[in-house]
Amino acid sequence: KQEVTQIPAALSVPEGENLVLNCSFTDSAIYNLQWFRQDPGKGLTSLLLIQSSQREQTSGRLNASLDKSSGRSTLYIAASQPGDSATYLCAVRPTSGTYKYIFGTGTRLKVLA
Amino acid sequence: NAGVTQTPKFQVLKTGQSMTLQCAQDMNHNSMYWYRQDPGMGLRLIYYSASEGTTDKGEVPNGYNVSRLNKREFSLRLESAAPSQTSVYFCASSKDGLTLHFGNGTRLTVT
Repeated sequence: KQEVTQIPAALSVPEGENLVLNCSFTDSAIYNLQWFRQDPGKGLTSLLLIQSSQREQTSGRLNASLDKSSGRSTLYIAASQPGDSATYLCAVRPTSGTYKYIFGTGTRLKVLA
Repeated sequence: NAGVTQTPKFQVLKTGQSMTLQCAQDMNHNSMYWYRQDPGMGLRLIYYSASEGTTDKGEVPNGYNVSRLNKREFSLRLESAAPSQTSVYFCASSKDGLTLHFGNGTRLTVT
């Protein structure tokens, strides 16, 4: 059974710092992996989607990498800002089970001004 | 540009009452999903619909039913609400299982 883990559960950093959020999964048979941002009381917003054949994706200050063989993905945030404070979740879509996604429990990030 | 719209935003039910959560998307997506989010447990899939006319169970389907009314709408029904169903419910949609687009959620409390 696929399991997705995100460690740490919470993180506080000073503004301007570069940071890395981690996501690990137990079964490398995935179709893709997505990173999401969730603000308090809101739904999830997709940040980056990495297909299984890709190694990384970039959008602005965000860079997500994927190492399928080791079951790991990282989300790199450059020059963090207070507006980046949110919960970040990753989700994998297994190759079996049609279009189901399995989510991690998220990392709650606070960027201090 | 509405995206995924969920109604209601908040609901309080008494144990045993029934209700339907509504979800509609205007992006012509074929796949739609219902998740629940509980503290410390992340998002868990209740039901999903890969395409119009099909539905399938997710991880936690017990106590719920769904209807894919048409391509735009996917509703979630609680027939007899229980306190264990207190949660935040999210509807999502995607085109061919790619990027997921979420609504803003329904906060349900069952007393």
